Amino acid sequence: KQEVTQIPAALSVPEGENLVLNCSFTDSAIYNLQWFRQDPGKGLTSLLLIQSSQREQTSGRLNASLDKSSGRSTLYIAASQPGDSATYLCAVIRKSNFGNEKLTFGTGTRLTIIP
Amino acid sequence: EAGVAQSPRYKIIEKRQSVAFWCNPISGHATLYWYQQILGQGPKLLIQFQNNGVVDDSQLPKDRFSAERLKGVDSTLKIQPAKLEDSAVYLCASSPLGRLASTDTQYFGPGTRLTVL
Repeated sequence: KQEVTQIPAALSVPEGENLVLNCSFTDSAIYNLQWFRQDPGKGLTSLLLIQSSQREQTSGRLNASLDKSSGRSTLYIAASQPGDSATYLCAVIRKSNFGNEKLTFGTGTRLTIIP
Repeated sequence: EAGVAQSPRYKIIEKRQSVAFWCNPISGHATLYWYQQILGQGPKLLIQFQNNGVVDDSQLPKDRFSAERLKGVDSTLKIQPAKLEDSAVYLCASSPLGRLASTDTQYFGPGTRLTVL
C-alpha cells in the first residue's frame, strides 16, 4: 500500500527566507509526482508536476525535485513572501489495482510566512 | 473557462441525517472524482467516474455513501445516514480523460465543508 508522508506538518519562517518542504513515499512504482497548494476555503491548485523520468521542475521561485529510488521529493521556495502562506500537498500518481491512474496525497505541510 | 463548481459550500447536519453534494465539472471533462479530506489529512479518493461509469469506488463506504453521474456531466454524492466521522471537506475534481500519468491534470472545485453534530 502506498503511503505518502510530509514533514514537517507545520512551518513558520520570516519573509524573505528560502525554505524546503519534504515529501516521502513508500512505493517507488509511480508515474509522476505533483505538488499542490491549498488555500483555506479553496480547492487545490497544481504547482508543479514531475514526471518519473525527470529529476526536477522549476516554476518561478519554486523548484521541485524527485528521487524515485529513495522515495523522496522536495519543494524549494526561494525568497518567501506572505502570499506563499498556504498548505502544500504532494501527491504521487500511480496505477491502481482497478487500472485507473490515481493520486495518493500526503498529509500536507501548513506554511506560514511571517511579514 | 469556468472551473469546477460545487454546492453547497457549507453544510451542518445532525448525525443520522442525510446530505447530498453537487458537482459540475469543467465542460468536456470525461473524468470526475470525489475526494474526502478530513482535517489535518490529505484528500482521499472516494470514487472516480469515466463519463457516467464508475471506474474506482474501492474506498467509498457503500453502506452509507452513494454517488451518481447521470448523463456523464454533473454528479451528486450522498451520505445516508451521516456519522460524526463523516465531518470533512468533500472535494470534486475533473480531468479531460483521466490520463494522469501523461497528458492530463486534475482541476479541483472549492469543496463542501460538512460538519456532523
